[in-house]
Amino acid sequence: GEDVEQSLFLSVREGDSSVINCTYTDSSSTYLYWYKQEPGAGLQLLTYIFSNMDMKQDQRLTVLLNKKDKHLSLRIADTQTGDSAIYFCAETTAHDYKLSFGAGTTVTVRA
Amino acid sequence: SQTIHQWPATLVQPVGSPLSLECTVEGTSNPNLYWYRQAAGRGLQLLFYSVGIGQISSEVPQNLSASRPQDRQFILSSKKLLLSDSGFYLCAWSVLGQNQPQHFGDGTRLSIL
Repeated sequence: GEDVEQSLFLSVREGDSSVINCTYTDSSSTYLYWYKQEPGAGLQLLTYIFSNMDMKQDQRLTVLLNKKDKHLSLRIADTQTGDSAIYFCAETTAHDYKLSFGAGTTVTVRA
Repeated sequence: SQTIHQWPATLVQPVGSPLSLECTVEGTSNPNLYWYRQAAGRGLQLLFYSVGIGQISSEVPQNLSASRPQDRQFILSSKKLLLSDSGFYLCAWSVLGQNQPQHFGDGTRLSIL
């Protein structure tokens, strides 16, 4: 995933909001995704946003997309211990089947 | 609802031995199928994808091969494993077509000794 970059670690206090950031380089990206991976498990699709949208909200999750800056963020409100996991940003383009993944952000929720 | 199954969950194999990992999808027809590898501390690398029975596209040259003998079955194989084949292998499916969300299985942890 050299085309998709994320910070590697985030530590957040329980009850606070978490913000995970991602940048991508392909201006033809059509969909951008957030996946969650708990230890030893597969990837769970959390949410995704079409590139012509600026924001998408789904319960505690808010996705913001700045297409001009090619910046995507995931905000988790009222972060809980069960939110501790690795979060992957991924993109797909109009002419491709594959997802390009970032290296993942490890989120640790502390009491 | 659709489900995806991978097995085995963990596998320990000696160098030079063969490999067969299986993935099946239920509750959908004509899915796109994918094999990814996840190295420790890194994102996912797409190895193979398939848009139909017998149709396999390889993304990176490697010691592995894939086959799709049935619509909802995807197999990852090797004739002789290398140490560098160790990793976490994930199968995924999506609705047929491009730009579709992909849904992942629980993965297979492969250790080569």
